[in-house]
Amino acid sequence: GESVGLHLPTLSVQEGDNSIINCAYSNSASDYFIWYKQESGKGPQFIIDIRSNMDKRQGQRVTVLLNKTVKHLSLQIAATQPGDSAVYFCAEFVAGGTSYGKLTFGQGTILTVHP
Amino acid sequence: DADVTQTPRNRITKTGKRIMLECSQTKGHDRMYWYRQDPGLGLRLIYYSFDVKDINKGEISDGYSVSRQAQAKFSLSLESAIPNQTALYFCATSDPGTGRNIQYFGAGTRLSVL
Repeated sequence: GESVGLHLPTLSVQEGDNSIINCAYSNSASDYFIWYKQESGKGPQFIIDIRSNMDKRQGQRVTVLLNKTVKHLSLQIAATQPGDSAVYFCAEFVAGGTSYGKLTFGQGTILTVHP
Repeated sequence: DADVTQTPRNRITKTGKRIMLECSQTKGHDRMYWYRQDPGLGLRLIYYSFDVKDINKGEISDGYSVSRQAQAKFSLSLESAIPNQTALYFCATSDPGTGRNIQYFGAGTRLSVL
């Protein structure tokens, strides 16, 4: 899921497969990382977040992994369904200083799930 | 998020016109944000407000202004619209009390400047 300018990374999977969406972040001082899902014609929707002092967090059908050594974040979706088709964004957040309260978003990855 | 309402949902305007995009929320959050999204790009912050008296510029504030009329209302104005302001605009809110700054977004306003 590395950024390639105006062309978003894409991931195509079959229904029932597991999906892994990747994100490289830039700020080693970030305290929280958040994954959002954006369906066509809608605003971004919160999926799951993780604090920087954790390396894994699980939700319903989703798992977020954080590797601070290489500044890499991933979102795993189990048993992917057609309704999971969307653009997925990671965002990072520094809980302090002059950047407090602001999220920095990645460019996103398009996930397409084929029935 | 239905608790964050943006109006209008779609707007077409002409170069040089002044327009206002409105956002209201029923989540009771102190913090509100305006973003723009361009095709193939992520969200870029225009302005943000931590409370009614605290308004701050984001990374792309030139050509925009905002007004925080109340805790629940945050409007974005384009004083003299230009074509490169054609984009999808989102309002968001967050609650600092959680310490996590999860932002909740409205459905967006699609703006076209001709």
